[in-house]
Amino acid sequence: SQELEQSPQSLIVQEGKNLTINCTSSKTLYGLYWYKQKYGEGLIFLMMLQKGGEEKSHEKITAKLDEKKQQSSLHITASQPSHAGIYLCGADKSGSARQLTFGSGTQLTVLP
Amino acid sequence: DTGVSQNPRHKITKRGQNVTFRCDPISEHNRLYWYRQTLGQGPEFLTYFQNEAQLEKSRLLSDRFSAERPKGSFSTLEIQRTEQGDSAMYLCASLSWNTEAFFGQGTRLTVV
Repeated sequence: SQELEQSPQSLIVQEGKNLTINCTSSKTLYGLYWYKQKYGEGLIFLMMLQKGGEEKSHEKITAKLDEKKQQSSLHITASQPSHAGIYLCGADKSGSARQLTFGSGTQLTVLP
Repeated sequence: DTGVSQNPRHKITKRGQNVTFRCDPISEHNRLYWYRQTLGQGPEFLTYFQNEAQLEKSRLLSDRFSAERPKGSFSTLEIQRTEQGDSAMYLCASLSWNTEAFFGQGTRLTVV
């Protein structure tokens, strides 16, 4: 079973709408990563968050890590069809990066 | 291309046969991971190498699975006596200290 809970499991939005994907852990995380995956392909790195309260943005995507470092959110503003794919959060739970674990992913569909 | 390279991209094999996958990480990365991903799920951790040493192994890695990383460069993942349940995407990732993990495109295994 996955130890990182992602919600929602799937999301269908109209182009231009904003959306948020959440990632929750029961334990403190030493590093939180967001990746995007197209079906049948490898993972593409989006952002890495390490400090409590940290927030990073790239183009129309913003990721935040809460102060307790147990919850992260990924927000997409004015979604486009190119944003479609599977979004995965991953985490280093040990602090030594010996085992990076992932959530089950959020399937995003953007309707033109 | 200096990214993570995986070969082959696709492999179809008969049940009971042995298969071997190869991963060539980014050259300066000393850490290498293998993951398995099934449809609708996030990547599941299999094993982790730091240089040539295999430091972590998931309980998912049964006796039929073995991974090596001779000389701390490329890595191989072998599955002996394949079963239909082994059908999945096998992903390799590498990273250096305090960087994100870079993923290869994966090897899709189909056991018939």
